[in-house]
Amino acid sequence: AQKVTQAQTEISVVEKEDVTLDCVYETRDTTYYLFWYKQPPSGELVFLIRRNSFDEQNEISGRYSWNFQKSTSSFNFTITASQVVDSAVYFCALSGGSGTYKYIFGTGTRLKVLA
Amino acid sequence: EAGVTQFPSHSVIEKGQTVTLRCDPISGHDNLYWYRRVMGKEIKFLLHFVKESKQDESGMPNNRFLAERTGGTYSTLKVQPAELEDSGVYFCASSQYPTGDFYNSPLHFGNGTRLTVT
Repeated sequence: AQKVTQAQTEISVVEKEDVTLDCVYETRDTTYYLFWYKQPPSGELVFLIRRNSFDEQNEISGRYSWNFQKSTSSFNFTITASQVVDSAVYFCALSGGSGTYKYIFGTGTRLKVLA
Repeated sequence: EAGVTQFPSHSVIEKGQTVTLRCDPISGHDNLYWYRRVMGKEIKFLLHFVKESKQDESGMPNNRFLAERTGGTYSTLKVQPAELEDSGVYFCASSQYPTGDFYNSPLHFGNGTRLTVT
């Protein structure tokens, strides 16, 4: 069975602090995809990143970085120098690579960045 | 391009009533998905359309839920009769390719419809 666990329900940090959001997944597929989405207060889910199981390179995009480690089945997300605008709920998701079209989401982590 | 549009943004109904949610996907996106998030829990898959055909409806909770996508454009999700446990945020998403495809195009989500059943 596929499963995504986001153990951190809510995190509060002060602006300019770094913060890491954890994501642990379970799957038996050898090919799979991992995603992060951001849900700001306005409600929409905004796509942040997609990573396939064959690409373990870490990725950096501005203040955002992602650490994918197959050995620990984790796909963690770090925000460097957090800003108030980063306050949102962040979801990690998994989809299978062989005919499984569903996304399996975690329960989300609410990030509050305080000024 | 216009994003995924959902209507209404918020609906409050009484138990036993009927509600219809609408989703307009991004133009040209054959794949349309419905998801639901119950308060504080994960976002759960409901079903997947490819054009007007239901590709996978394994996530539909029960036969009180009916999804349609006539003509392969917009989709509706009807809940009849609504129960208290149906409360949550219903998301619609679309993609050009199926998410299991090689390209694994990401889903583009709408703002969701917050349904409250009292």
